[in-house]
Amino acid sequence: AQKITQTQPGMFVQEKEAVTLDCTYDTSDPSYGLFWYKQPSSGEMIFLIYQGSYDQQNATEGRYSLNFQKARKSANLVISASQLGDSAMYFCASYSSASKIIFGSGTRLSIRP
Amino acid sequence: NAGVTQTPKFRILKIGQSMTLQCAQDMNHNYMYWYRQDPGMGLKLIYYSVGAGITDKGEVPNGYNVSRSTTEDFPLRLELAAPSQTSVYFCASSLNRGRLDGYTFGSGTRLTVV
Repeated sequence: AQKITQTQPGMFVQEKEAVTLDCTYDTSDPSYGLFWYKQPSSGEMIFLIYQGSYDQQNATEGRYSLNFQKARKSANLVISASQLGDSAMYFCASYSSASKIIFGSGTRLSIRP
Repeated sequence: NAGVTQTPKFRILKIGQSMTLQCAQDMNHNYMYWYRQDPGMGLKLIYYSVGAGITDKGEVPNGYNVSRSTTEDFPLRLELAAPSQTSVYFCASSLNRGRLDGYTFGSGTRLTVV
């Protein structure tokens, strides 16, 4: 069965600093995908970035990058030059051949001015 | 605007009452999903559907039922509401399995059972 683990319930970071949000996953499927979503206080779910299990390079989307270490089964999200608007809950998620996405418990990120 | 529409946005139910949470998408997506999010927690999959007429259980299906008679609609039914079902419910859809941009989420339904 799939499992996503996010070990950081909350983090505080100074504005303009980089931040890494941890995520480890467990799946027996050879083909899978990893996602990160942002959920601001307004409640909507916002897709940030995707990494396929066969992708050779780490995914990047603007200030977001995914540090994919397949052997360690980790998919950490790196946010460069953090902004006040980055304060939110962040969820790591994975999908596999079962055709559904499983979410981690989330990390609450707070950016200090 | 195209997307996933959930109704209602808020609802208070009494214990034992029933209700249907509506979800509709106009993107011709094959896959649709229902998640619940308890306070301070991640999303748990309730049910999902890979196309009209096909549904399957997720992680936490007990107390819920779904149907998928059309591609567009995927209603979630609560038959006998219990306080443990107090949660925020999200509907989502995707065109294909493993779509690169993940899912398109609805704005959620906040349900309180008293």
